[in-house]
This record gives sequence, structure tokens and C-alpha cells, in this order.
Amino acid sequence: EAGVAQSPRYKIIEKRQSVAFWCNPISGHATLYWYQQILGQGPKLLIQFQNNGVVDDSQLPKDRFSAERLKGVDSTLKIQPAKLEDSAVYLCASSARLAGPTYEQYFGPGTRLTVT
Amino acid sequence: KQEVTQIPAALSVPEGENLVLNCSFTDSAIYNLQWFRQDPGKGLTSLLLIQSSQREQTSGRLNASLDKSSGRSTLYIAASQPGDSATYLCAVHYGQNFVFGPGTRLSVLP
Repeated sequence: EAGVAQSPRYKIIEKRQSVAFWCNPISGHATLYWYQQILGQGPKLLIQFQNNGVVDDSQLPKDRFSAERLKGVDSTLKIQPAKLEDSAVYLCASSARLAGPTYEQYFGPGTRLTVT
Repeated sequence: KQEVTQIPAALSVPEGENLVLNCSFTDSAIYNLQWFRQDPGKGLTSLLLIQSSQREQTSGRLNASLDKSSGRSTLYIAASQPGDSATYLCAVHYGQNFVFGPGTRLSVLP
């Protein structure tokens, strides 16, 4: 079974530029998550999709971040314009329902963003 | 507010030691709890998942326990090896929302 795919793996941009990240979840996984992980911290949820609908985007800085999941499969996360504090690893995950309310998450390798 | 903490933040042990990593959560109305491993520059790899009705799960040298009433989970690693060096994160599952702890950075010295 193929895992969660993300690209690019690394990106360096200057502040005020824009950047986009791409994620392809595990086939058949309806739920997709984008997390931001700052060095030394645990992942923080930015947005969660169920199929192509948004379940939770309460921690997404909507003035500069946007995300979409067209057709309920691939997803893109965009930052425009980027700030220095956006430097982090952006992780994509998808989840499978095991039984009842139990879901297990699977993560991609992440995209390391450096804003200079 | 649902918060997850992990103690210690960092741990360094000689090879062969048994060790325990701790995870605490404030809201005990969890669905399940998942332990992950993260190597530097990599994504998260799932180690163990404990459903809310379970007390523990085992995989090889790893054993995870869950005490919902006290809001705690522990990850026990037996006979540690240098290859176990990584950051270990716990994630508590509420509904379809996962709340992560900050992680414990483990170094196993040869």
C-alpha cells in the first residue's frame, strides 16, 4: 500500500512570497489533515477535510493560508504572503477508520519550509 | 481546552536500558491514543494505537498503557538500542481531531 505523498520536500522562499504544498493521501482515506510543526514542538492542526468538505479550520490563519481538496483526493496548502514565523515543517496525514469511532493516522514525509 | 503534555522533554540513556515515556492529557473523553516516532527531518511513523476501551498494546519491545481516568499513557521501551533514538510523540484522538504532545527526544548511547 502506497503511503501519503507530499511535495516538495524542501522549499526556501523570501518573506512576502507565496508557496504551495501538495499532498496525495492513501487511496480510500476520506479524511485528510494538514499540520504545522515548528521545531521542537508537536504538530498543530491547520485544517481537516472529510472528502472535499472542511471539518475544522479553526487554527488556520485565513488571512494568509488557504487549502483545498478538489474531488476529495489530492490537496494543496498555500501561503500568501509568507512570514518569517511560517518557517516550519508542513505535514499531511490521512486517516482510516478501524472500527467504530477509532481512526488511525498515517503521515507523509513533510515539507520543510524556510522563510528568509 | 484539550492539552497534551509529555515528560520528560528529553532523555539520554545507555544502550540496553529499559525506559518509560509519559503522556498526560486534560480531557479524558478520548476515542483512542496513538504513539508515533519521528526521526530527524522525517514524517511521523505510527508505533501503537490504543483504543479507549483497552488498557495496553504491545508491539515487539514496545508496550503502551492507557489510564483514561487519570489522563495518562506510558510508552515502555525494553532493552533500548541506538536505533531507537528519535522523538516520540503521543496523539490523543477526540472525535476526528488529534491533539499532539510536544514529544520526548530520546537518545540511546552505544
